[in-house]
Amino acid sequence: KAGVTQTPRYLIKTRGQQVTLSCSPISGHRSVSWYQQTPGQGLQFLFEYFSETQRNKGNFPGRFSGRQFSNSRSEMNVSTLELGDSALYLCASSSTQVRDNSPLHFGNGTRLTVT
Amino acid sequence: DAKTTQPTSMDCAEGRAANLPCNHSTISGNEYVYWYRQIHSQGPQYIIHGLKNNETNEMASLIITEDRKSSTLILPHATLRDTAVYYCIVNSYGKLTFGQGTILTVHP
Repeated sequence: KAGVTQTPRYLIKTRGQQVTLSCSPISGHRSVSWYQQTPGQGLQFLFEYFSETQRNKGNFPGRFSGRQFSNSRSEMNVSTLELGDSALYLCASSSTQVRDNSPLHFGNGTRLTVT
Repeated sequence: DAKTTQPTSMDCAEGRAANLPCNHSTISGNEYVYWYRQIHSQGPQYIIHGLKNNETNEMASLIITEDRKSSTLILPHATLRDTAVYYCIVNSYGKLTFGQGTILTVHP
């Protein structure tokens, strides 16, 4: 089985721009959750999508949004980029909603640099 | 959301057991404890999870105290490839809160 695939692997953007990141879950997995990892704050939960609906949300501003398609693939969008948005963005998939305690399988992330 | 506390770093000799502690004193009755590890430049890798009882799989064992306020991850025979950051996490109704983790260094 193929693992979780995130594209692109690296991205460089300028302040004020917007960016879209993509995540393809493991086949058959219906939950996709997103995380931001920075040296200062560590790994922080952004949001979770299950069956095309947002099920849970972390404490991030509205500039961070996401969506999930009928094939369970998910995209995350960040608008009006700030320098502080530079981070490794990770997505994880699971067969059930995260709250139902199936293990998460992470991709290797997208490294976003904002200049 | 339940918080976890882990030592910042630990060392272990290759071939010996690595015992990684975690404190989660604010955990609620139905919240599971998970362990993941992350090797530089990769996404976190699932190791094991449990609720009350001790758990074992091909990678590790998880020992949870009876009051559920702490747990220990045991890697029975550590190898150099086990060098990584280990995260102890509580699943608070769908929100996973990662602490800073423990940097485990396995020495030859």
